[in-house]
Amino acid sequence: RKEVEQDPGPFNVPEGATVAFNCTYSNSASQSFFWYRQDCRKEPKLLMSVYSSGNEDGRFTAQLNRASQYISLLIRDSKLSDSATYLCVVNPNFGNEKLTFGTGTRLTIIP
Amino acid sequence: SQTIHQWPATLVQPVGSPLSLECTVEGTSNPNLYWYRQAAGRGLQLLFYSVGIGQISSEVPQNLSASRPQDRQFILSSKKLLLSDSGFYLCAWRAWDNPSGNTIYFGEGSWLTVV
Repeated sequence: RKEVEQDPGPFNVPEGATVAFNCTYSNSASQSFFWYRQDCRKEPKLLMSVYSSGNEDGRFTAQLNRASQYISLLIRDSKLSDSATYLCVVNPNFGNEKLTFGTGTRLTIIP
Repeated sequence: SQTIHQWPATLVQPVGSPLSLECTVEGTSNPNLYWYRQAAGRGLQLLFYSVGIGQISSEVPQNLSASRPQDRQFILSSKKLLLSDSGFYLCAWRAWDNPSGNTIYFGEGSWLTVV
């Protein structure tokens, strides 16, 4: 089983719709979680951290389910500019130097 | 604010030629530094990380090497490139004194094509 798994997509979603991605991780001791966004041929950029209680940033909501070992990202009222690849990132252990990246979920917002 | 730069942005190199990619960070001291590679259609693969000058940890045995000659400088090298070395190389940094954050920040990346 991969350390971090994501549905690669692509997700083709009409503008204004709500879309959700899930990401599962194998190490139950994992400490911290993030969503990064990567545009085509660009570097990944931090979108948001994922906290145990769930967190929201504008149209984006991230949630963590430790019991089932997955994190999710919900995008409401999707915009054309949301088209990108979304990477799930897990830090296996507190203080560990290495983050584990999923292969990403590709999202295309259709006008 | 902190910034990270890497270069060159794009390069095409013949098989067997050497490689040198450079990365520098500004606005922070003693950062953790990383080199990742992203092959076409693949996830990010950690190649090397460094917690200080001269301290390099290798994650994947291969024909690449890394060096950290100064606190905020990280270099990725190869003596002889292989076709399989083609990919998108990303330098990244993290503040060592922010373990609760654990977020890392990437440079703009270097596209390497080995022909």
